[in-house]
Amino acid sequence: TQLLEQSPQFLSIQEGENLTVYCNSSSVFSSLQWYRQEPGEGPVLLVTVVTGGEVKKLKRLTFQFGDARKDSSLHITAAQTGDTGLYLCAGGPHNNAGNMLTFGGGTRLMVKP
Amino acid sequence: DADVTQTPRNRITKTGKRIMLECSQTKGHDRMYWYRQDPGLGLRLIYYSFDVKDINKGEISDGYSVSRQAQAKFSLSLESAIPNQTALYFCATSAQANTEAFFGQGTRLTVV
Repeated sequence: TQLLEQSPQFLSIQEGENLTVYCNSSSVFSSLQWYRQEPGEGPVLLVTVVTGGEVKKLKRLTFQFGDARKDSSLHITAAQTGDTGLYLCAGGPHNNAGNMLTFGGGTRLMVKP
Repeated sequence: DADVTQTPRNRITKTGKRIMLECSQTKGHDRMYWYRQDPGLGLRLIYYSFDVKDINKGEISDGYSVSRQAQAKFSLSLESAIPNQTALYFCATSAQANTEAFFGQGTRLTVV
């Protein structure tokens, strides 16, 4: 079974601060997806990274896939209250290790004004 | 219209009652999933289906059953609801194993 651990579980910061959340595993994944879930809604995809070492930017959000494709990070610059939500990472199966996404437990982010 | 629609959005039911949660999708995907979300536990897979004749158990299938009535419809049943099944339930669909998953808005189920 492939497992993904996210840290921290909870993060409360002031608007304007920077933050990084992590998604780690001992398993290799074919791809890594990041989702954001807002209250009362289902998760929505932010980005998919597929190549070891890949970095993708989405406005103030920077996503990185580890060189060995076992971990990923999400960095937010100058957080805004609209960034508040639950951030979930999900790994795609590698070499027939299962046949669907594996989700981490999530990081719940609160950005205070 | 939403790509993935779940009904009902909220439900309160009594212990021992049978309840069905319904999901329909307009993405045209073969793969459909039911997840349960509890605080601090992320998304846990209950059942999944890769086509109309295919049903597979996920990591927490005990106490649940599913029916894939058509490519676009996947329903989840709790045969005899118990309080620890109180949770947020999500239906999702995807084209392939490692492509984007599209989620419904969720059903908040409370078993009293």
